[in-house]
Amino acid sequence: NAGVTQTPKFRILKIGQSMTLQCTQDMNHNYMYWYRQDPGMGLKLIYYSVGAGITDKGEVPNGYNVSRSTTEDFPLRLELAAPSQTSVYFCASSEGYGYTFGSGTRLTVV
Amino acid sequence: DQQVKQNSPSLSVQEGRISILNCDYTNSMFDYFLWYKKYPAEGPTFLISISSIKDKNEDGRFTVFLNKSAKHLSLHIVPSQPGDSAVYFCAATYSGAGSYQLTFGKGTKLSVIP
Repeated sequence: NAGVTQTPKFRILKIGQSMTLQCTQDMNHNYMYWYRQDPGMGLKLIYYSVGAGITDKGEVPNGYNVSRSTTEDFPLRLELAAPSQTSVYFCASSEGYGYTFGSGTRLTVV
Repeated sequence: DQQVKQNSPSLSVQEGRISILNCDYTNSMFDYFLWYKKYPAEGPTFLISISSIKDKNEDGRFTVFLNKSAKHLSLHIVPSQPGDSAVYFCAATYSGAGSYQLTFGKGTKLSVIP
């Protein structure tokens, strides 16, 4: 049982480049989330989805976009990468408060 | 404005002793609280939770206590084991929000010394 799979695990981007962080879950969960964790900080919610076709902004959505065309997939798009987006990104899914997290994507913008 | 605060960045405890991790919250709307555990290079994993209608919840070696009047909760690990060494995040939510969004603290790094 794979749970929540995130790709890539590591990525270095140049300022102004774009990329998509992939997230797939195989538990048929309706709820999916993207969080970022900066050094010494807690996890901050970027975007979330309550089901296919429905997404909404979290606490720190600026600079990001999401889509949810299927129950399984919830990709996070960075359009114009900035140094402030250097962080570890976690995708999670749930059917309640006990989230299942992926192992994270460590992104560095230089 | 931090709504969930974990004021101790780190804690060291001898193996076999009790570990007590603390968490304070400021939002009176929060009515459900969780603890997550995170190892390096892994995502957080759910550990234990408590609803505001209770003041204590136990699961094996882990117990969470909630003091609503003080807006304070704590996680007790007894006895502590080296495998418990990890970062522990406190999280809180308002169950009426309908989307299971969580607000996380900054985490406390627990080191259990053999």
